[in-house]
Amino acid sequence: DTAVSQTPKYLVTQMGNDKSIKCEQNLGHDTMYWYKQDSKKFLKIMFSYNNKELIINETVPNRFSPKSPDKAHLNLHINSLELGDSAVYFCASSQNPGLAGNTGELFFGEGSRLTVL
Amino acid sequence: GEDVEQSLFLSVREGDSSVINCTYTDSSSTYLYWYKQEPGAGLQLLTYIFSNMDMKQDQRLTVLLNKKDKHLSLRIADTQTGDSAIYFCAERRPGGYNKLIFGAGTRLAVHP
Repeated sequence: DTAVSQTPKYLVTQMGNDKSIKCEQNLGHDTMYWYKQDSKKFLKIMFSYNNKELIINETVPNRFSPKSPDKAHLNLHINSLELGDSAVYFCASSQNPGLAGNTGELFFGEGSRLTVL
Repeated sequence: GEDVEQSLFLSVREGDSSVINCTYTDSSSTYLYWYKQEPGAGLQLLTYIFSNMDMKQDQRLTVLLNKKDKHLSLRIADTQTGDSAIYFCAERRPGGYNKLIFGAGTRLAVHP
């Protein structure tokens, strides 16, 4: 069973379109994240939700809107796609960061490669 | 600076030791991590060290932490071809939100 699963794995689309990437985790974790990995492999956090509540919101254009219907799911919707949005988007989950002794280990999905033409 | 810094490439011969270095940014960071990314896959935690430790050994892996210089290193003994991957250093910033800041990754190539 895949612990953190993302769909789709590949997404090719035109500039200006709107697209969504879905993420689900079956680890029972309270916290989920979206990271963006650019072509130079830099991995930057975008958002984090803890029990459906937004707790990290980095400087990301408001064209990006995360949605967490429940603590096992965190989806990412992107409006009006731009060329610079091309990247690999990684979903991750972890135990509740507020728990004592939590090492903060992130469990990553396999990534969703978005190509904007 | 804001960025966690790592050298981009390392090439070693099979059987030799590999040492990957990292400079992180925040002396208050509580945990430091090494993640491994194989082609087409997500990142997987290799090992971590708590900020009050200087060294941690886990089988072929040795992590050294120099808090004064904000320097972290990962040594892989007896490097194998299966160790070829990208290795990411990360720091956990203080605060309750598990905000991990990653470096750009070091691509390790192991050759016969």
